[in-house]
Amino acid sequence: AQRVTQPEKLLSVFKGAPVELKCNYSYSGSPELFWYVQYSRQRLQLLLRHISRESIKGFTADLNKGETSFHLKKPFAQEEDSAMYYCALITSGSRLTFGEGTQLTVNP
Amino acid sequence: DAGVIQSPRHEVTEMGQEVTLRCKPISGHDYLFWYRQTMMRGLELLIYFNNNVPIDDSGMPEDRFSAKMPNASFSTLKIQPSEPRDSAVYFCASRVHRGRTGELFFGEGSRLTVL
Repeated sequence: AQRVTQPEKLLSVFKGAPVELKCNYSYSGSPELFWYVQYSRQRLQLLLRHISRESIKGFTADLNKGETSFHLKKPFAQEEDSAMYYCALITSGSRLTFGEGTQLTVNP
Repeated sequence: DAGVIQSPRHEVTEMGQEVTLRCKPISGHDYLFWYRQTMMRGLELLIYFNNNVPIDDSGMPEDRFSAKMPNASFSTLKIQPSEPRDSAVYFCASRVHRGRTGELFFGEGSRLTVL
């Protein structure tokens, strides 16, 4: 069965520090992975998808099939990055499974 | 487009009462999802529809939960009878079928409190 694990419920860093939000998945097929973000008082929205190999708001995520991971990284965190981040896996039948979420706080 | 519209935004009810949450997906989207968000378990998929037909309801916790999609522009999630452990934020989301890479668009959520 497919599963997404985000081991850290809370993560706190200082402005300008690097940040890494961890995501591990289990899926027997070929995974398609995403990061979604929920800023305070805003809707949950797509941040980036692994197939696009894009950098959004300075964030990148690389799929590591050997480690079954899709960690989200940013070299220099900003206060406006404070939000809830969800890693998600889409499987056959269009089912999108989310992890438990990580609340990121960037302190001034 | 106003995006995915959910109502009510907040609902406070007493244990045993019936709760109905409503969702209007984005016009033209053929997939609709219902999720439940809690601190402990994150976002859990309850059920999803394709072209108004329920595809996977394995996430519906109990028979007290039911969902319908009578047409392409409306869906309901009903809890009867409600219990305090049902307290959570319920999200509706929709997307266009685009292989497995279509972006999911979320509503603002319905915050349910069962006393």
